[in-house]
Amino acid sequence: SQKIEQNSEALNIQEGKTATLTCNYTNYSPAYLQWYRQDPGRGPVFLLLIRENEKEKRKERLKVTFDTTLKQSLFHITASQPADSATYLCALDTGAGGSYIPTFGRGTSLIVHP
Amino acid sequence: DAEITQSPRHKITETGRQVTLACHQTWNHNNMFWYRQDLGHGLRLIHYSYGVHDTNKGEVSDGYSVSRSNTEDLPLTLESAASSQTSVYFCASSALAGIGDTQYFGPGTRLTVL
Repeated sequence: SQKIEQNSEALNIQEGKTATLTCNYTNYSPAYLQWYRQDPGRGPVFLLLIRENEKEKRKERLKVTFDTTLKQSLFHITASQPADSATYLCALDTGAGGSYIPTFGRGTSLIVHP
Repeated sequence: DAEITQSPRHKITETGRQVTLACHQTWNHNNMFWYRQDLGHGLRLIHYSYGVHDTNKGEVSDGYSVSRSNTEDLPLTLESAASSQTSVYFCASSALAGIGDTQYFGPGTRLTVL
């Protein structure tokens, strides 16, 4: 069966360090992968998209990598700040059937300590 | 500024009652989606629409219905609410129906069925 796996345990890091979150998938051949941020009591907010033919994408302090051989995406936040504390969701879709509706992972909580 | 709103933000109802959750977007997006989010399951797709008078079932559509009479609104109806439908419901919209389509989420409705 198809699975998207994100670490269910919260990631705790110190301010200023780089946070690295992992998204693994099985039985998918995604056309693209997205990362969203979700704060408590709010809806997810889009951060970055990376396509299957791209290895890396950057936006300010954020970096996403996509390894279709390992079936894994890594999401990095450099120089992390307490304001980066949130839950981060990965989402992917194959585009099969022309649907292009992303399937979401359960998310990983990031806690940045001052 | 364009936005997507949901109402009510919190709702408590009884088993067997009909409940309608509203979703309104001013992005002028063709695509609208309803998800539910539960601990341990992440976001799961309930129904979606690619335009006026178009509706489609998602992964967990049993017990839910939607209708799309205009571009801006996609109300979600629980015909006979069950305790298993206690959840947080998110509405989302997107502009394109193609690869890498970013979703814009509403703030969510927390529904409790007693």
